[in-house]
Amino acid sequence: ETGVTQSPTHLIKTRGQQVTLRCSSQSGHNTVSWYQQALGQGPQFIFQYYREEENGRGNFPPRFSGLQFPNYSSELNVNALELDDSALYLCASSLPGLAGASVTGELFFGEGSRLTVL
Amino acid sequence: GQNIDQPTEMTATEGAIVQINCTYQTSGFNGLFWYQQHAGEAPTFLSYNVLDGLEEKGRFSSFLSRSKGYSYLLLKELQMKDSASYLCEVGFQKLVFGTGTRLLVSP
Repeated sequence: ETGVTQSPTHLIKTRGQQVTLRCSSQSGHNTVSWYQQALGQGPQFIFQYYREEENGRGNFPPRFSGLQFPNYSSELNVNALELDDSALYLCASSLPGLAGASVTGELFFGEGSRLTVL
Repeated sequence: GQNIDQPTEMTATEGAIVQINCTYQTSGFNGLFWYQQHAGEAPTFLSYNVLDGLEEKGRFSSFLSRSKGYSYLLLKELQMKDSASYLCEVGFQKLVFGTGTRLLVSP
């Protein structure tokens, strides 16, 4: 148990819809990172939030957006869903890094939210 | 971008030793992590290297050579439960995962 919880665990959407995924980070962790993992692939970095600000972004279009709240929980929003968005979405929290740094320590992953887009 | 290369798949037998290699481009390197991921589960942390050399942790060891952009994860006395994907993750300005190495341990 990492202390990182994600919801929902599974969901099915249709093309064009919007989805919000949620993540509660481990106590004391102020950095949350989101990853997309397609079947048989490694996790792909979407973005990271540090103290409620986006602090690094991977190669994902603007329809992938996020938020971090004062309690360090986080949301991932995906608009205009496409079939290729079907994947496991992983949230990971980490110990505080250097101020403003994108690179942090060990990641503690939640169990993920499996999204299927039909 | 930062390319991280790992073999796609490896097989080994119970009780054996296996070495999983990971190479990466060296520019902006800021630490390397290894994670284990069982099918259908989240990745779990195995090891962290930021300085050159070998870090040993029970049956698992991880090695780093920063000048060569090279790391390996060594698994000794393999057990069936070690069948999983092993992910090499490198810290640059952002954290980048390799595609993972699927290890199958057979009896």
